[in-house]
Amino acid sequence: DIQMTQSPSTLSASVGDRVTITCRASQSISTWLAWYQQKPGKAPKLLIYDASTLESGVPSRFSGSGSGTEFTLTISSLQPDDFATYYCQQFNSYKYTFGQGTKLEIK
Amino acid sequence: QVTLKESGPALVKPTQTLTLTCTFSGFSLSTSAMRVNWIRQPPGKALEWLARIDWDDDKFYSTSLRTRLTVSKDTSKNQVVLTMTNMDPVDTATYYCARTSPPGRYFDYWGQGALVTVSS
Repeated sequence: DIQMTQSPSTLSASVGDRVTITCRASQSISTWLAWYQQKPGKAPKLLIYDASTLESGVPSRFSGSGSGTEFTLTISSLQPDDFATYYCQQFNSYKYTFGQGTKLEIK
Repeated sequence: QVTLKESGPALVKPTQTLTLTCTFSGFSLSTSAMRVNWIRQPPGKALEWLARIDWDDDKFYSTSLRTRLTVSKDTSKNQVVLTMTNMDPVDTATYYCARTSPPGRYFDYWGQGALVTVSS
């Protein structure tokens, strides 16, 4: 199965900062990658799919890029509501795997 | 409006079989290319995909857990059922059901999750 590795595991930042989270796949997944945001006690929320397509209703400060094995999620100007844990997820050969998560904390 | 909700026991004993039900609305599993998945998350840990059932009754399972999992659907009741045998304390987690819509690569709607604790 394909493994997904996110970095960093924890990220401290301030409101207004630009932040980037990286996700690496153990083999090429084309652009079949999604990003989710999860807040404590809540289900994950789909933010971006197909590596760079913004889900409906998601603010434009979120963006995604990458293909093959390396992908990034960028938040252009952090808002208080963005402090959460972020997961990447891939689909390949009828299996789904998630990264280990990146916790975005207030500095 | 698409909604999903998990139900089942909050506590199971080691070696028992867990049965969880996902009841959904706003879509039909008889519609082509609709799929429902089960995903779990141990406390403080990452998400783990478990299983998927498709509109045409195709089923797919996690490689590491496939011998313990069974997924089924009742289209008339808008329900999907997951059974997991031989439960162990390491299976303590919040269990989510989630929909994938065509082409089936991502989870666009999730249930609220059901915490299942495995303890004697």
